[in-house]
This record gives sequence, C-alpha cells and structure tokens, in this order.
Amino acid sequence: AQSVTQLDSHVSVSEGTPVLLRCNYSSSYSPSLFWYVQHPNKGLQLLLKYTSAATLVKGINGFEAEFKKSETSFHLTKPSAHMSDAAEYFCVVSPPYTGRRALTFGSGTRLQVQP
Amino acid sequence: SQTIHQWPATLVQPVGSPLSLECTVEGTSNPNLYWYRQAAGRGLQLLFYSVGIGQISSEVPQNLSASRPQDRQFILSSKKLLLSDSGFYLCAWSVRGQGQPQHFGDGTRLSIL
Repeated sequence: AQSVTQLDSHVSVSEGTPVLLRCNYSSSYSPSLFWYVQHPNKGLQLLLKYTSAATLVKGINGFEAEFKKSETSFHLTKPSAHMSDAAEYFCVVSPPYTGRRALTFGSGTRLQVQP
Repeated sequence: SQTIHQWPATLVQPVGSPLSLECTVEGTSNPNLYWYRQAAGRGLQLLFYSVGIGQISSEVPQNLSASRPQDRQFILSSKKLLLSDSGFYLCAWSVRGQGQPQHFGDGTRLSIL
C-alpha cells in the first residue's frame, strides 16, 4: 500500500523569496516520486521525478526536490519565487511495479506568490 | 517528441444528453492511457485506464464509459449525463514499465446544466 500527504493546502510567499512545498509519503516498496504543477484550467505538467538515482533531483523552472528515505519526505523547493510559479502543485508516488493503481496523488498545495 | 491532444477544451451540455470526449497521443506506441476527473478544489480521481486496444479497466462505478478503438486514441463517453458529471476531465499517457510518470493533456471543462 502507498499514500502521500501534502502537509500544506496553501502556501503564500513573496516574489523573490524561497519556496518550500512539503510532501511525505508512505510505501511498502522503494517508490518513484514525482512533482507536478497545474495552472488554472490546464493539465498537469511534470516538474521532476525521483527514480532511485540521485537523491537531489533537479527539475524544470528552477525547482528541485530532495528524497529523504529516513524521513519519508520529498519536499519541493525553489530558491526564488516568480509570479508565474503561482499554481497548484501535486506530489505523486508510484510503486516500483506496474499496475492499475500506478500513481497515488496528494491532495495538492496551492502556491500564491505576492508581488 | 510525444504530444497528447484533448478536445474539446470546454463543453456545456444539458442533463440527459450524451457525451463524447476524445484524446489522442502522438509520437509513441503502445502507451498506457488514463482518464481522470478533477472536481473543483479537489485532487484527481482515476476513472479508467487502458493497457491496449479494447482493454479498459474501470476504477469507479459510474455513469461513464471508455473505449480505445485505436492504439493511441482514448474516448470517454456517456449515454445520459448527470449533474454530478460536471468537472474537469484529464487524459494522460505513460510508457509501460516500472515507476513511469504520466503525461497529461490540457483537459476538458465539462459543465452540465
């Protein structure tokens, strides 16, 4: 069984300040982990993925995430927020096997960026 | 490169009318295909997935059905829409294999009147 918890439903930052979106996971196996971003009325775009290689994963648009097995966390960070980063972010876990329930989605974190 | 197309982008339908949403993928073969629904302010609910032509698995019992007439075509249908069918419908594809990410289309906003 697997699950994912996004610890904040809303995060508000000022433009130019760091972003931290928190995600904890639970999995019976070594999972693959993903972060997606969704802008209003758009589909989900893959930001980055962890698949048991380097624990620090770099993604698009300056985002990165660190896989910490001891803490079962996969937090998303960005050094300096931009207005265009305002969106909904989803943390997603996938087991290391194929199957119909291949992805489990977190409930999402809405990021607001204040000017 | 691979691309996924969904249409229409928005749709307004009366209660009791039929529905057909289409999704096509280009640039890949034998993808896994998925239909999700996203209700306002909520996460994603997997509705259907398909691992091949004519192979459809339903995740939740409901008023909708899905079909895969061709390798890269996935269709979501209903014979009679309900008010509760309103939402944002997303199609996605993935390559087969362990721990693969899914890639999403831009979605269809469906409003039932």
